[in-house]
Amino acid sequence: DPKIIQKPKYLVAVTGSEKILICEQYLGHNAMYWYRQSAKKPLEFMFSYSYQKLMDNQTASSRFQPQSSKKNHLDLQITALKPDDSATYFCASSQGQGLEVFFGKGTRLTVV
Amino acid sequence: GDQVEQSPSALSLHEGTGSALRCNFTTTMRAVQWFQQNSRGSLINLFYLASGTKENGRLKSTFNSKESYSTLHIRDAQLEDSGTYFCAAGISGGSNAKLTFGKGTKLSVKS
Repeated sequence: DPKIIQKPKYLVAVTGSEKILICEQYLGHNAMYWYRQSAKKPLEFMFSYSYQKLMDNQTASSRFQPQSSKKNHLDLQITALKPDDSATYFCASSQGQGLEVFFGKGTRLTVV
Repeated sequence: GDQVEQSPSALSLHEGTGSALRCNFTTTMRAVQWFQQNSRGSLINLFYLASGTKENGRLKSTFNSKESYSTLHIRDAQLEDSGTYFCAAGISGGSNAKLTFGKGTKLSVKS
């Protein structure tokens, strides 16, 4: 059974629209993250949260906003979508910051 | 430049043979992880090392933090080992948990 659940698996969005990517982890971890993988760039870190608090933001654009409603949830809201946002977005978690990180299966976003 | 330099970028092996993948780091890293990304895109954890060597079946990994490199050895390669292998590391002394990934090694195992 997957312990980090990402929804949806695939997502097609129109340029300018807004989408929310869902992530829930059932590993009992305290730290959660978002990473992005596109055809043009290797896997890159976006955000880290620890105990539902933002610890690090490496995303230049404010169009990307993480939302943590519960300790084991970290959703990603993306507004004003652009074709360049097309990528696979991975949610991840670890017991604590700096410890082994585990990844969900990703949400593949295509912006048309 | 890149903080994590991974090589080779691509590798082709016949079943039963082996090889090594390597990551060089341009800054001091506190720990390294190795992942396999399979054909469905899932990232599978292979190893997490803060130092030393770990072995799991046909895979063995070493992390030398002083000399800033890590290796992943694959022996007796099987068809299911095909995929892209990534190393990822966290910067030593950093207050965050950011993992910096290499660009990956695309491994093809042929019969």
